[in-house]
Amino acid sequence: GAGVSQSPSNKVTEKGKDVELRCDPISGHTALYWYRQRLGQGLEFLIYFQGNSAPDKSGLPSDRFSAERTGESVSTLTIQRTQQEDSAVYLCASSLTILAANTGELFFGEGSRLTVL
Amino acid sequence: GDSVTQMEGPVTLSEEAFLTINCTYTATGYPSLFWYVQYPGEGLQLLLKATKADDKGSNKGFEATYRKETTSFHLEKGSVQVSDSAVYFCALSDQGGGNNDMRFGAGTRLTVKP
Repeated sequence: GAGVSQSPSNKVTEKGKDVELRCDPISGHTALYWYRQRLGQGLEFLIYFQGNSAPDKSGLPSDRFSAERTGESVSTLTIQRTQQEDSAVYLCASSLTILAANTGELFFGEGSRLTVL
Repeated sequence: GDSVTQMEGPVTLSEEAFLTINCTYTATGYPSLFWYVQYPGEGLQLLLKATKADDKGSNKGFEATYRKETTSFHLEKGSVQVSDSAVYFCALSDQGGGNNDMRFGAGTRLTVKP
């Protein structure tokens, strides 16, 4: 597609359930990022993927969070045993390369809003 | 670690008013600085950037100057329009400091009234 696509746009779940969030990056973009934005706070880095290199998982807040990406295509962010504190907007961004972060050329999706009851 | 602090909102202005949104940063290396904007119903998009000290980024009438001495990158516009209503995010990238991600501020919501 023309831009970064995320689904679902809204997800309401019960505490303790697992959720999967999907990101479809711009075709040809080798780098993919996940961020979390809690209400009233900045974007919190979670994880990035660069081509076939090992992902940088340093931002994942706990072992309940995991993400996968197959090659340079779709990525899935999984949150297991969700907690109320996981409620946030989860943003995905892609760029041509990881170095594009230094030039600001990140392209963002509209985000997936997760509400944990 | 690297971080960005920006002016809290929300900010409400009348059309043609002057806008300043403050942003300061801390970084271990020599970061590049950015302003992103998120219009209603859309994803974040790059508004302007500056990659070294004293550079001025500009776009759509917005400007920001990279001030190393004050570690600031304040966003300004001389005359805002209703269409500028959006959330503005200050951000930095410090790959020289060992990070490969972009660090963002909390965002400032701007509403411009006609």
